[in-house]
Amino acid sequence: EAGVTQFPSHSVIEKGQTVTLRCDPISGHDNLYWYRRVMGKEIKFLLHFVKESKQDESGMPNNRFLAERTGGTYSTLKVQPAELEDSGVYFCASSQDWGTSEKLFFGSGTQLSVL
Amino acid sequence: SQKIEQNSEALNIQEGKTATLTCNYTNYSPAYLQWYRQDPGRGPVFLLLIRENEKEKRKERLKVTFDTTLKQSLFHITASQPADSATYLCALPSSGGSYIPTFGRGTSLIVHP
Repeated sequence: EAGVTQFPSHSVIEKGQTVTLRCDPISGHDNLYWYRRVMGKEIKFLLHFVKESKQDESGMPNNRFLAERTGGTYSTLKVQPAELEDSGVYFCASSQDWGTSEKLFFGSGTQLSVL
Repeated sequence: SQKIEQNSEALNIQEGKTATLTCNYTNYSPAYLQWYRQDPGRGPVFLLLIRENEKEKRKERLKVTFDTTLKQSLFHITASQPADSATYLCALPSSGGSYIPTFGRGTSLIVHP
């Protein structure tokens, strides 16, 4: 069974450009999460989808970040326009229904560098 | 919101010894606490979950304790091996009404042969 996959693994863009990150969760996982790790800091929660609905987006830093999960399958996270402080590793995770298996399965992350 | 504290200094131990990592939290007692392992260039991998009504949980060479009075969890790896070298992350809900894991910064474990 395939795990959580993220694309691209690395992205280098200039300040002001747009970048779109993609996450494919484990098949059958309704819950999808985005997290971010800025250098030297802890992994921070960004938002949570249940199927196609945003359940909690309290961690989104500002309106330059837009996450979507059309059809409740894969998700995209778009940063537009990118700023220097957006650099970091963006992790996607998925899980089954909470209450049956409270553990997250993570992808390997997308390393975003904004120059 | 919850503050999670893990030792930022790397823990260096000799192969065969027991490694003990600490996770302290402030504020309210969480319904559960999780431990993850993270290798360079990879995402965290779930290891163990312990609930607030459990004192101890074991899985093979791993043992986790949960002391809600001290607001602390200890993570033990017995008979450690160089392959256990990684960063270990503690995670728990960020607030009383949330179930989404919030992560500590992690502690790096280095097991020397």
